[in-house]
Amino acid sequence: DTEVTQTPKHLVMGMTNKKSLKCEQHMGHRAMYWYKQKAKKPPELMFVYSYEKLSINESVPSRFSPECPNSSLLNLHLHALQPEDSALYLCASSQESGGPNYGYTFGSGTRLTVV
Amino acid sequence: AQSVAQPEDQVNVAEGNPLTVKCTYSVSGNPYLFWYVQYPNRGLQFLLKYITGDNLVKGSYGFEAEFNKSQTSFHLKKPSALVSDSALYFCAVRDYNTGGFKTIFGAGTRLFVKA
Repeated sequence: DTEVTQTPKHLVMGMTNKKSLKCEQHMGHRAMYWYKQKAKKPPELMFVYSYEKLSINESVPSRFSPECPNSSLLNLHLHALQPEDSALYLCASSQESGGPNYGYTFGSGTRLTVV
Repeated sequence: AQSVAQPEDQVNVAEGNPLTVKCTYSVSGNPYLFWYVQYPNRGLQFLLKYITGDNLVKGSYGFEAEFNKSQTSFHLKKPSALVSDSALYFCAVRDYNTGGFKTIFGAGTRLFVKA
């Protein structure tokens, strides 16, 4: 299995809803990432997990809450989002932890619309 | 601070012609450089990387990139473009200062290959 699987592919939520995005990989990668991407822009890093521990939080608002239950799963819990949070949310994983030698494997993303 | 620049928003090329997508970088220390491709409504796909060694790096789908230390460039190339190569291309550098956890993406270049 050489894929990162993200669910759901599309999500529409109201500003008072609570929802979660899910990411799964079975490649044995020990670093996992959440990115946010606006249309025609590069991905922006949100969070990095290394060996199931949060390593980097790029000053993301608390309405986004990441969770790494085990080495294969990464969740992003969403609560009280704003319309400007509408974007493509990408999960990625990489083979190493702390070494820069490897590229990332990205999922196809969750297209989130906040209404 | 580490950074990459993609000077062209869009590159247009005729099918069968060679293509070049430009990237320049600014890093402290050794550069760890990557190219990714993104098709519409999809995640990014890893194409190739330069870590060390030969300046000409070969990657997926017939793409290659030339590392030039004196010009601080890492241009993506392909000898003969296909219509299916039309996509958004990102140059990226791993930020060694964060242990390589952080990948910094360029703004992206849209490649349009005309039949």
